[in-house]
Amino acid sequence: DAGITQSPRYKITETGRQVTLMCHQTWSHSYMFWYRQDLGHGLRLIYYSAAADITDKGEVPDGYVVSRSKTENFPLTLESATRSQTSVYFCASKPSGSGEQYFGPGTRLTVT
Amino acid sequence: SQQGEEDPQALSIQEGENATMNCSYKTSINNLQWYRQNSGRGLVHLILIRSNEREKHSGRLRVTLDTSKKSSSLLITASRAADTASYFCATGTLVYGGATNKLIFGTGTLLAVQP
Repeated sequence: DAGITQSPRYKITETGRQVTLMCHQTWSHSYMFWYRQDLGHGLRLIYYSAAADITDKGEVPDGYVVSRSKTENFPLTLESATRSQTSVYFCASKPSGSGEQYFGPGTRLTVT
Repeated sequence: SQQGEEDPQALSIQEGENATMNCSYKTSINNLQWYRQNSGRGLVHLILIRSNEREKHSGRLRVTLDTSKKSSSLLITASRAADTASYFCATGTLVYGGATNKLIFGTGTLLAVQP
């Protein structure tokens, strides 16, 4: 099925562990985004990418690393997870020339 | 930093009534978008209004934009129980020399439509 998928959908990890959240889209959209959603904050942009091998920081990038070796994938890595990174993470994509973003179903991450 | 602030934070209405949500923002924008999020799901794009537009319609949705007041409103007419969701405004600004659109989301309005 075409679309944008995220895996895993749920993840529990311990403080200090490395965690990678996966995002895959089948539309060949140029742009991809990672957000986190927390109560009282809405969605905040972590990182975004304009194309393969082009990434840039968003509003809350500290503690996160991204890569984009292929257009369709945009993994987000928490190098050493902290409790403050407990959140719901959303990946999104959009084609060039469009303002509308298409969101994945989200990954609920709990750091204990 | 939060760009968009929605008002009210929560709204409860009866089926068939109209629902109005407001969004205020702080800086210049290229466009403003509204998204809907059903509980436990991803966001779904509803409508985009450009900074040079004042009003836009899509089905039962009507969006207005007042750039002088830095505010927007979303009106859902003849609401249905299925409209129950959180609604977010997102302001779009251009980055990469105008090549892309970076969104900043507000904190959302939780709409409950009672059958």
